[in-house]
Amino acid sequence: QQQVKQSPQSLIVQKGGISIINCAYENTAFDYFPWYQQFPGKGPALLIAIRPDVSEKKEGRFTISFNKSAKQFSLHIMDSQPGDSATYFCAASRDNQGGKLIFGQGTELSVKP
Amino acid sequence: DGGITQSPKYLFRKEGQNVTLSCEQNLNHDAMYWYRQDPGQGLRLIYYSQIVNDFQKGDIAEGYSVSREKKESFPLTVTSAQKNPTAFYLCASNGQGTMNTQYFGPGTRLTVL
Repeated sequence: QQQVKQSPQSLIVQKGGISIINCAYENTAFDYFPWYQQFPGKGPALLIAIRPDVSEKKEGRFTISFNKSAKQFSLHIMDSQPGDSATYFCAASRDNQGGKLIFGQGTELSVKP
Repeated sequence: DGGITQSPKYLFRKEGQNVTLSCEQNLNHDAMYWYRQDPGQGLRLIYYSQIVNDFQKGDIAEGYSVSREKKESFPLTVTSAQKNPTAFYLCASNGQGTMNTQYFGPGTRLTVL
């Protein structure tokens, strides 16, 4: 199975709250899991990425949690700010496929002031 | 500045016309990709190329064509055979040693009149 399933489709969070976006995959051969952030009318930009040999990676207010046995990974945005309002995509790939990414459907995050 | 450029930013075409979208990168990346983005559907892979003079179909290649004559350039032609071409088109690239990270261009919004 090549799919990556992402939820929720949209999310509204109050300023200062925690935003949580979840992704699930089937293919256990995936070994690279990035998250991308996209603002309207712009191309996506890499936010943070993780390999399956670690369970968590943190960069500033952004954390990826990875559960290999459940085949799930999630993005946590702490102290969410209105400037975080964007669409977020999870993705997965295998090293031996030359960087080809399989993307989730995307989550539109809105942070209310 | 290193990066990926796409032109034009907005493109209008009449039904039945072919149109070519430009993608150029100066990152010295071997691999390049074309995605189509529709509202609520995430990123769908059209074509990708891992080396000059070679390219592979993605998930939705019908009605599209590409060429890869130079490492820096990967133009996409939307042909009249594409039944619903109105969309946001994104080009990306990645190179060895970038942990499969894809870097995206700013996108071209194509509207068929």
